[in-house]
Amino acid sequence: DAGITQSPRHKVTETGTPVTLRCHQTENHRYMYWYRQDPGHGLRLIHYSYGVKDTDKGEVSDGYSVSRSKTEDFLLTLESATSSQTSVYFCATEMALNTEAFFGQGTRLTVV
Amino acid sequence: QQQVKQSPQSLIVQKGGIPIINCAYENTAFDYFPWYQQFPGKGPALLIAIRPDVSEKKEGRFTISFNKSAKQFSLHIMDSQPGDSATYFCAATQGGNKLVFGAGTILRVKS
Repeated sequence: DAGITQSPRHKVTETGTPVTLRCHQTENHRYMYWYRQDPGHGLRLIHYSYGVKDTDKGEVSDGYSVSRSKTEDFLLTLESATSSQTSVYFCATEMALNTEAFFGQGTRLTVV
Repeated sequence: QQQVKQSPQSLIVQKGGIPIINCAYENTAFDYFPWYQQFPGKGPALLIAIRPDVSEKKEGRFTISFNKSAKQFSLHIMDSQPGDSATYFCAATQGGNKLVFGAGTILRVKS
């Protein structure tokens, strides 16, 4: 998994609570991404980062924020979790553009 | 709005068969087309990728065919094995970031 660790791996949370998912990489890759995976939709980009403190929105960014204070860590925060955010979340890293993207093992989040 | 349309949703083949998964795209600016393989409980992993300046690429038993004029590309798995049973995603990107994924194809290879 190219040194990518996602935590937690599983989480159940209540509607309206804030949730933070963490992605940690040991490869010193510049580019990092957060995707969500839902049946029938494949993987959809939430937010991405080109470097420390350099982030931008993806296709489905509403209700999510990110931060990257160190090269190795990319945090995804759900400000106020909703049931529609129940999903499997994947972090990915890329050394350079148009190269292989490496994915973490995923975090299964359930909002009840 | 799905920028990359993938079919079929699921596919069952016998061992040794040649499953074919198809993808179509609209954005002619896409310049990199990877395929990812995902096993249950794991993250996707790059299988093979192609750029639009070639019409075919082979890596082992996996082949991508690319038709630029039709804006379509497909994955062929030769001599498929039960171990190939997984979900396959096609994807596309413009300028090297922000991969856009198809909806995925669940492949089952029966022994």
